[in-house]
Amino acid sequence: GAGVSQSPSNKVTEKGKDVELRCDPISGHTALYWYRQSLGQGLEFLIYFQGNSAPDKSGLPSDRFSAERTGGSVSTLTIQRTQQEDSAVYLCAGRAGLRTQYFGPGTRLTVL
Amino acid sequence: QQPVQSPQAVILREGEDAVINCSSSKALYSVHWYRQKHGEAPVFLMILLKGGEQKGHEKISASFNEKKQQSSLYLTASQLSYSGTYFCGTEWFRDDMRFGAGTRLTVKP
Repeated sequence: GAGVSQSPSNKVTEKGKDVELRCDPISGHTALYWYRQSLGQGLEFLIYFQGNSAPDKSGLPSDRFSAERTGGSVSTLTIQRTQQEDSAVYLCAGRAGLRTQYFGPGTRLTVL
Repeated sequence: QQPVQSPQAVILREGEDAVINCSSSKALYSVHWYRQKHGEAPVFLMILLKGGEQKGHEKISASFNEKKQQSSLYLTASQLSYSGTYFCGTEWFRDDMRFGAGTRLTVKP
């Protein structure tokens, strides 16, 4: 596609439920990042995928968070047993080589 | 470790200049600058590479001091459209991108 897409754009869930957030990067972008942005805050690094290498999971806040990337393209971020503090905008970004990151529009997650 | 940005916020009148700083405790490979407007995704402004020159376009430019592990973003003759939150992203090695907490810039008429 022409840009990075994320779905859903908004997700409202109840505390304790699992959610899946999807990112579809620009074709050819071998690197993919997930970030979390709480209201009025900065970009918190979560996880990074690069080609077939093992992902850098150092930013995942707890073992309730996991992510996978299938076929080097689409990525899914899963949050299990959601908590209210998980409420934030989740952004993914793709990158090709030594170039800029292209961000998706984000998924706004609200945990009630 | 994420880079440290300063100031946290700045308010300008149209036409005034501003400088936003980004510093790291580790040797930097590259620095990226992004601007995010409310409710939107961050948008790329420029990238500065180790050993590279100062970059810029129009009235927004940036420098990269490798010895001090710092980068500065310069906004001259600010316009209303410059308002937003500016983030620096730093790499200590390729692809190890981390972002600062952001600097909220408000330009008033």
